[in-house]
Amino acid sequence: DADVTQTPRNRITKTGKRIMLECSQTKGHDRMYWYRQDPGLGLRLIYYSFDVKDINKGEISDGYSVSRQAQAKFSLSLESAIPNQTALYFCATSVGGPRSGANVLTFGAGSRLTVL
Amino acid sequence: GDSVTQMEGPVTLSEEAFLTINCTYTATGYPSLFWYVQYPGEGLQLLLKATKADDKGSNKGFEATYRKETTSFHLEKGSVQVSDSAVYFCALSDHGGYQKVTFGTGTKLQVIP
Repeated sequence: DADVTQTPRNRITKTGKRIMLECSQTKGHDRMYWYRQDPGLGLRLIYYSFDVKDINKGEISDGYSVSRQAQAKFSLSLESAIPNQTALYFCATSVGGPRSGANVLTFGAGSRLTVL
Repeated sequence: GDSVTQMEGPVTLSEEAFLTINCTYTATGYPSLFWYVQYPGEGLQLLLKATKADDKGSNKGFEATYRKETTSFHLEKGSVQVSDSAVYFCALSDHGGYQKVTFGTGTKLQVIP
């Protein structure tokens, strides 16, 4: 099994629908992240969480919300999807912290979302 | 804020050609530097990293050297293979409590037989 699992892998939905993307990890990492990938824009951070009680906005959090249900689970919600949220979404984890050295991210395989 | 600039793609090379993908960065202090690779249909995975000036990261025949004086971390490989076809991302993380990771826009490499 993958260290970081994202579901669903592909989803097509309509404008205005609520969508949830789920992420679970077996790495035992405290830190979890949601990124969005668009062609020519690289990866942009949506939300991040350092532990179950810690949730922080990233660069592009408008229109998104998250829930950290457990150390191993971090879900991303689009309350009312719109077409410009069509993108490839990645969940990532890391050890982080001063004793970890460099902040190396472990990524899931991605969830491709299309909003019509 | 921090930023990473990498060369535009796509880059198309013949098998066994020499590869260079340029990456420069802007950051306060001395960040850690990374190259991630994304194969088709997959998530990003760490290719190599360097945490201080003059460090050389290497993996799978790829190398990159942390050049503080030119704020660069160029990716090189002496002889590319078709299996190296992927998108390559340069990234940095600062050393603050958050250790924010900033990515470049990615460079697509296509290697033809």
